[in-house]
Amino acid sequence: GQQVQQSPASLVLQEGENAELQCNFSTSLNSMQWFYQRPGGSLVSLFYNPSGTKHSGRLTSTTVIKERRSSLHISSSQTTDSGTYLCAASSGSWQLIFGSGTQLTVMP
Amino acid sequence: ETAVFQTPNYHVTQVGNEVSFNCKQTLGHDTMYWYKQDSKKLLKIMFSYNNKQLIVNETVPRRFSPQSSDKAHLNLRIKSVEPEDSAVYLCASSSRDFNQDTQYFGPGTRLLVL
Repeated sequence: GQQVQQSPASLVLQEGENAELQCNFSTSLNSMQWFYQRPGGSLVSLFYNPSGTKHSGRLTSTTVIKERRSSLHISSSQTTDSGTYLCAASSGSWQLIFGSGTQLTVMP
Repeated sequence: ETAVFQTPNYHVTQVGNEVSFNCKQTLGHDTMYWYKQDSKKLLKIMFSYNNKQLIVNETVPRRFSPQSSDKAHLNLRIKSVEPEDSAVYLCASSSRDFNQDTQYFGPGTRLLVL
């Protein structure tokens, strides 16, 4: 089965609303990372967050290893936040396993 | 600011042809990677290259091969393309073992096999 599961698959918000994206991963994985991909664009690293909480502007990432989950919180969403958000985890070896992504659309 | 460069942006070819994609990083990183992103946006690792050590995902067909001239370059060659090779190929780099540091991605090369 899939080792990294993201939810929701898609999310539509009105500008100004908050978003909460979830990532669950299997026991063999750790070292969670979050990426953002604009439509037709390259991946941009948001957070490398193996555990705990990290902040960057309107973004907050929280990883709870013992519960095998990580979340990405976007506060006061803007239309420019629209795109695909991907989480990924590794097994301590060389492979980075990606989730299937959350497609976020922020309406004006 | 882009620091991982890929060429071409887009390539259309026919089944059986050979193609080669270039990747260069200017970050001084030690490790480079190639990923394949399918139509469902699912990313899968293909190769990792660090200090002349190549690690291959065993699911990658043998017609794919990475080529490196130095630690700043990792190209991807596909010997005889097939229709299922149509995808976006993303190059990335990191400064240490990937699980200790984040990866930086290039803009991708979109391949269409007719």
